[in-house]
Amino acid sequence: ILNVEQSPQSLHVQEGDSTNFTCSFPSSNFYALHWYRWETAKSPEALFVMTLNGDEKKKGRISATLNTKEGYSYLYIKGSQPEDSATYLCAFDYSGGYQKVTFGIGTKLQVIP
Amino acid sequence: DAGVTQSPTHLIKTRGQHVTLRCSPISGHKSVSWYQQVLGQGPQFIFQYYEKEERGRGNFPDRFSARQFPNYSSELNVNALLLGDSALYLCASSLGTGTYEQYFGPGTRLTVT
Repeated sequence: ILNVEQSPQSLHVQEGDSTNFTCSFPSSNFYALHWYRWETAKSPEALFVMTLNGDEKKKGRISATLNTKEGYSYLYIKGSQPEDSATYLCAFDYSGGYQKVTFGIGTKLQVIP
Repeated sequence: DAGVTQSPTHLIKTRGQHVTLRCSPISGHKSVSWYQQVLGQGPQFIFQYYEKEERGRGNFPDRFSARQFPNYSSELNVNALLLGDSALYLCASSLGTGTYEQYFGPGTRLTVT
């Protein structure tokens, strides 16, 4: 059983604050790491697909980094807005491309106006 | 463009019955994956189909089966339903296997009584 851990499980931040959370995964058999944002009553939305050690990706105020040697990825949100409130999931892909992924439990972010 | 669609939205079944869930991918997407999400956990991978062939299977019993049709839509079948099968079933499509982004449908909420 692969262990993909996310921390914290939940957090509350004030509007305008920057925040970050962590996804830890096995450092062996790495193929890709996916980040998703899942708003209540909506479908999970793909944020990033990361494949190379040292990768950094950015989409608007959200960015992510990847360290495959030590088995972690950070997701950063700069200047949090209420619309950023969602559960952020990471998924570890170990299958060499068949998207046989293991998801973490997610980090539930609540941005307080 | 239409996103990934799933039907039905909600379903209530009795133990021992079987159920068929349906998924239509985004036009042009040839890969469909199925996930089960129970409350408090991340989605768990069930199957991936690409070009109508099974390309990956998660740790689920043989009561779970799936298929993909020539138009790339997919069905997930679950026989001899158990209470523990109550969950949100998510379908995701992508252009292919590998590090393509997955696009999720809204899910089917299955309740087994």
